Amino acid sequence: DIRMTQSPPSLSASVGDSVTITCRASQSISSHLNWYQQKPGKPPKLLIFAASTLQTGVPSRFSANGAGTDFTLTISGLQFEDFASYYCQQSFSIPLTFGGGTKVEIK
Amino acid sequence: QVQLVQSGAEVKKPGASVKVSCKASGYDFTTYAINWVRQAPGQGLEWVAWISGSNGHTNYAQKFQDRVTVTTDTSTRMAYMELRSLRSDDTATYYCARGNYDSGGRTWFDPWGQGTLVTVSS
Repeated sequence: DIRMTQSPPSLSASVGDSVTITCRASQSISSHLNWYQQKPGKPPKLLIFAASTLQTGVPSRFSANGAGTDFTLTISGLQFEDFASYYCQQSFSIPLTFGGGTKVEIK
Repeated sequence: QVQLVQSGAEVKKPGASVKVSCKASGYDFTTYAINWVRQAPGQGLEWVAWISGSNGHTNYAQKFQDRVTVTTDTSTRMAYMELRSLRSDDTATYYCARGNYDSGGRTWFDPWGQGTLVTVSS
């Protein structure tokens, strides 16, 4: 199974800050990497697919890049509605696996 | 709009089975797969299974292989996940999610159902 390791597990930031979340795969997954946002009591929401493609309707302050084993998600200019948990997920091979999540909290 | 609506919360005893449903609307059901993902309380996301919307082919996470069955009914645009021999650590919210694909074979989940809480308790 491909292990997905996210860091940090949590971070505190202020509105307007830029934050970066890292996701590392245990083997190369090319660009088969997606990012989701989840708020308490809600299902995950797709933000980015295929490593760097912004899902329709997602604000442009979200960006992502990477390939192979190392990937990043950046939020440029945090807004109140961005405080949530974020998960990466690989779709390179079965079983599909998720990172452990990063909780972005208000400082 | 594209939507997945799941059945309501369930409370089951250890050893019992549960069947969660997921009704799709707003798109050609046979063009996309349905995935099932679960989330234990306060924990991360765990992929359970995948089923093709066109031919019923399935893939299961090995840890669930012996206890889970996913099916579809194309006439009613419904997907189902049945989990047997329930244990307390199966307590989780179970989500269905549409599997989208591109020409490069990459896949992603969108949209997601609202989730179904399954509680296993004696």
